Amino acid sequence: ETGVTQSPTHLIKTRGQQVTLRCSSQSGHNTVSWYQQALGQGPQFIFQYYREEENGRGNFPPRFSGLQFPNYSSELNVNALELDDSALYLCASSSMGQAAYEQYFGPGTRLTVT
Amino acid sequence: GQQVMQIPQYQHVQEGEDFTTYCNSSTTLSNIQWYKQRPGGHPVFLIQLVKSGEVKKQKRLTFQFGEAKKNSSLHITATQTTDVGTYFCAGLRNTGFQKLVFGTGTRLLVSP
Repeated sequence: ETGVTQSPTHLIKTRGQQVTLRCSSQSGHNTVSWYQQALGQGPQFIFQYYREEENGRGNFPPRFSGLQFPNYSSELNVNALELDDSALYLCASSSMGQAAYEQYFGPGTRLTVT
Repeated sequence: GQQVMQIPQYQHVQEGEDFTTYCNSSTTLSNIQWYKQRPGGHPVFLIQLVKSGEVKKQKRLTFQFGEAKKNSSLHITATQTTDVGTYFCAGLRNTGFQKLVFGTGTRLLVSP
């Protein structure tokens, strides 16, 4: 098992609400990436945080935002939830500059929007 | 945008048979990584390939990176029931930041 943890495990929200998901990165890692994985699909890159700043972003609207804290943990915030936001949200920690750049995924948060 | 496709989408084999999944990118990749995701689980890193034409082996798994760095394959020899899961390739692109683009995945089912 990786040292990456995510909370909560499961979450049910209503359309229009806001949600905050949390991720603690593996010790020694300084970069956190967030992914959205819809059922039966591969993870889609949302954004990446490095040194507390957004370091890159995928094709997701501004209502998806995030934070990274000095201890490298991270939050993903989604405003104005839509039904299509129902998915498994994965965070992955890694070490910027490391040659291998393998990503260690957390167990994910299963979000259901009704 | 960049697309990474995998074929087949799904394969059901008998234990002991071989299995191969193919990964194709629309653009040249810096490197390619492979992940395995068990049902209900999260992706787990298997390997990274960096050099053009690179071949790496992990026990019964053989990974290849194409000469043009746009395609890759994963071959499993003599599958076991523990190989069940979805296998994803993920291409790394350096676009000012390191971004992983995951393939569509191949779901493998192994019957005893």
